[in-house]
Amino acid sequence: GESVGLHLPTLSVQEGDNSIINCAYSNSASDYFIWYKQESGKGPQFIIDIRSNMDKRQGQRVTVLLNKTVKHLSLQIAATQPGDSAVYFCAENQAGTALIFGKGTTLSVSS
Amino acid sequence: DTAVSQTPKYLVTQMGNDKSIKCEQNLGHDTMYWYKQDSKKFLKIMFSYNNKELIINETVPNRFSPKSPDKAHLNLHINSLELGDSAVYFCASSPDSGGTEAFFGQGTRLTVV
Repeated sequence: GESVGLHLPTLSVQEGDNSIINCAYSNSASDYFIWYKQESGKGPQFIIDIRSNMDKRQGQRVTVLLNKTVKHLSLQIAATQPGDSAVYFCAENQAGTALIFGKGTTLSVSS
Repeated sequence: DTAVSQTPKYLVTQMGNDKSIKCEQNLGHDTMYWYKQDSKKFLKIMFSYNNKELIINETVPNRFSPKSPDKAHLNLHINSLELGDSAVYFCASSPDSGGTEAFFGQGTRLTVV
C-alpha cells in the first residue's frame, strides 16, 4: 500500500479562512517531503517542500509543518482564496527513490 | 516555453490496440518518471529513468514499456491495451533521483473502449 496518506478526502472552507490539510506518512527513512497542488485538467504543481532536518517552513501564504515523532505533515494556507480550490497531495521520498504520493485532499473554497 | 511536455493530451483507443505517449523535458534534468493517476486521483509511480537508465520499475504489467532515447525524452509504449489501463498518465522530471522536486507535465488522459 501507499506510504503516505491524507486524513480527509475533502475540505470545505470559506474565502478568507485559514485551511489546514493533514498528511500522515509511514516511512521513517523518508527525508524529503513536498506538497503539490493539482487543478482540474492539469499536472501537479509544486507548493512547498521541507527536509527532515527542519520542522517548519514558510512560503507565501503557505506553511508546512513536519512532526517526525508522529510522522505527520501539514499544509497551512492563510486567507484561503477561491483560486486555492484544487486537490492537494503530500509526497515523500529519500535519495534514490521516486516521490510517493498520498491520496489527496480536495479543497473547496466558497466565496 | 513548456518545461515538461507530453503528447497527446487525450487518447481514446480500442481494447487490444498498441499506443505510445511521448514526453520531453527542456529543464536539463537527469531523471524522468511516469506516474499513473486513477479515477480516485491516486498518483502511483510506474517507472523512473536516470540518464537513460531504468532505476525504478514498479509492479507494472509487461505490456508497458518505457523508452528513453536520451535524457530529455521518456516515452511510454503500451501494448494490447485493456479497459483497466484507462487513467491519466503523467510524465515528470527532476534534477536527480530523489530528494528534489519533480516537475510534472499536463498529463495524458487515456480512455480504452
